[in-house]
Amino acid sequence: GAVVSQHPSWVICKSGTSVKIECRSLDFQATTMFWYRQFPKQSLMLMATSNEGSKATYEQGVEKDKFLINHASLTLSTLTVTSAHPEDSSFYICSAQPPGQLQETQYFGPGTRLLVL
Amino acid sequence: EDQVTQSPEALRLQEGESSSLNCSYTVSGLRGLFWYRQDPGKGPEFLFTLYSAGEEKEKERLKATLTKKESFLHITAPKPEDSATYLCAVQAAGGGSNYKLTFGKGTLLTVNP
Repeated sequence: GAVVSQHPSWVICKSGTSVKIECRSLDFQATTMFWYRQFPKQSLMLMATSNEGSKATYEQGVEKDKFLINHASLTLSTLTVTSAHPEDSSFYICSAQPPGQLQETQYFGPGTRLLVL
Repeated sequence: EDQVTQSPEALRLQEGESSSLNCSYTVSGLRGLFWYRQDPGKGPEFLFTLYSAGEEKEKERLKATLTKKESFLHITAPKPEDSATYLCAVQAAGGGSNYKLTFGKGTLLTVNP
């Protein structure tokens, strides 16, 4: 149980274009999902907390107009990187919390590698 | 501000050579401390959650322990398939429904056959 998927697993795009990444909880409903970014040999940095049916909460220094988050259902959150630039190239990982006694534990997706040319 | 420091940054072991990884933390009240394993190019895989000092949890060759200031991940008789980056993260209490995690940089473990 507690399986989280992401799509796509990797994407290459031209500078100035937008890219959408999907995060799905496959076997549970998640009212809260999280989006992280990981640069090479660095740890995971939380970008934003996504709550179903409400606006996302962004961490300090993360541009909410650049990284659009939509959590329209209890099993799907999307991250759209708008007007992507080479410095946005990174490994983006989502996580979700199952309800009940495991609600404090985050289960992670496999990640999406983004390369902006 | 919550902080997590992991040591060593990298550890190379021979198969069967037991060792421990350290995670030191400062947090304004601990709700939980988490250990994850991350393989290259993959998302973190959940291993353990520890909630209070003195708590221990085991899974196969791994055992996690917790004190008020640090956690250890003990690896007994490791095998090459245990090679991965091990991440430690803390979750602060008092955040209401905000379950955000603060991660350390991880320890890259390599187990040679």
